[in-house]
Amino acid sequence: DGGITQSPKYLFRKEGQNVTLSCEQNLNHDAMYWYRQDPGQGLRLIYYSQIVNDFQKGDIAEGYSVSREKKESFPLTVTSAQKNPTAFYLCATRRRGGEDGYTFGSGTRLTVV
Amino acid sequence: AQSVSQHNHHVILSEAASLELGCNYSYGGTVNLFWYVQYPGQHLQLLLKYFSGDPLVKGIKGFEAEFIKSKFSFNLRKPSVQWSDTAEYFCAVSTSGTYKYIFGTGTRLKVLA
Repeated sequence: DGGITQSPKYLFRKEGQNVTLSCEQNLNHDAMYWYRQDPGQGLRLIYYSQIVNDFQKGDIAEGYSVSREKKESFPLTVTSAQKNPTAFYLCATRRRGGEDGYTFGSGTRLTVV
Repeated sequence: AQSVSQHNHHVILSEAASLELGCNYSYGGTVNLFWYVQYPGQHLQLLLKYFSGDPLVKGIKGFEAEFIKSKFSFNLRKPSVQWSDTAEYFCAVSTSGTYKYIFGTGTRLKVLA
């Protein structure tokens, strides 16, 4: 089955700790994206990557970091500098050309206590 | 900056009622337009998309949307909703040549049986 795997589904962390969210895809899509979903605010773009070893900041990149060492993987680290990290995080991919739209993962709900 | 507005945040309808959800965007150039749906506990999935051609686009599950360039709008419609249409609906825009989508804040639809 082709798809996107985000793990874990639920994650709890103490304030001040860094945490890494996993996103793995076997769709052979070139581009990968991280969005944050908050109630009433829709989806906001954190980081995106169009090719391996390259990525760009989205609209709310402060307090986050990413890497793209492999085509299949685009992990997101939520650092202690992120002021309000509790949220639902969605990973998406897009095929080159992009006319199919994004394919989304099932998301990770991060709660920082 | 580009933005997407969804004016209806919460909509409650009875089964068989007609649905229209508004979506307006701010960008003067060529755009690609999307509607995504998030059913309770499920992934975001693509309902329909517009890239070019006929401005009336038909999607899955009986949904359609009309691109009106002069009004910067891409409203979603369904003639007769079902209880199973209860979900959150997101409009998204990407501009020609970019690879990132800007999402609206979403509309929560509840259909009463």
